[in-house]
Amino acid sequence: DTEVTQTPKHLVMGMTNKKSLKCEQHMGHRAMYWYKQKAKKPPELMFVYSYEKLSINESVPSRFSPECPNSSLLNLHLHALQPEDSALYLCASSRPSGNEQFFGPGTRLTVL
Amino acid sequence: GESVGLHLPTLSVQEGDNSIINCAYSNSASDYFIWYKQESGKGPQFIIDIRSNMDKRQGQRVTVLLNKTVKHLSLQIAATQPGDSAVYFCAENIRGGSEKLVFGKGTKLTVNP
Repeated sequence: DTEVTQTPKHLVMGMTNKKSLKCEQHMGHRAMYWYKQKAKKPPELMFVYSYEKLSINESVPSRFSPECPNSSLLNLHLHALQPEDSALYLCASSRPSGNEQFFGPGTRLTVL
Repeated sequence: GESVGLHLPTLSVQEGDNSIINCAYSNSASDYFIWYKQESGKGPQFIIDIRSNMDKRQGQRVTVLLNKTVKHLSLQIAATQPGDSAVYFCAENIRGGSEKLVFGKGTKLTVNP
């Protein structure tokens, strides 16, 4: 299995909702990432997990809460989001000693 | 900081022509570079990479050139096909770690049949 999967594909939520994005990989990668991508912009790094431990938080607001339950799964818990948080959320993974990151298809999030 | 940039935001070519997409970077500590292709509605897809100890690397129909003197990276696509239409991003990684990639602004390539 050489792919990163993300669910759901699309998500619409209100500003008072709580939702979660899920990411899964079975390539044995030990580093996993969350990126945010606005339309016509490059992906921007949000969080990095290395060996299931949070290693980088790019000053992301606390309304985004990442979680890495095991080496194959990565979640992003969402609470009290703002309309400007609407974007494509991408998950990626890599071997810790490698540099190539494999990306999932993303979750298109719309906050109303 | 956002040290990776691009010279052209859009590029339009005829099918069968060769395409060249450019990228400038400013972080001299970067030692690994990647080109990604992103089609509409999809995640970025790895195309080719190059380390700073190399000047050129070739793949299938693609070549990446690295000029460290002027901090310039380019992606050459031979015999461009309609399926090559996408946004192309260069990304740099500092000091070879797998932790953090910084993406350039992207170039939208349109291939006309």
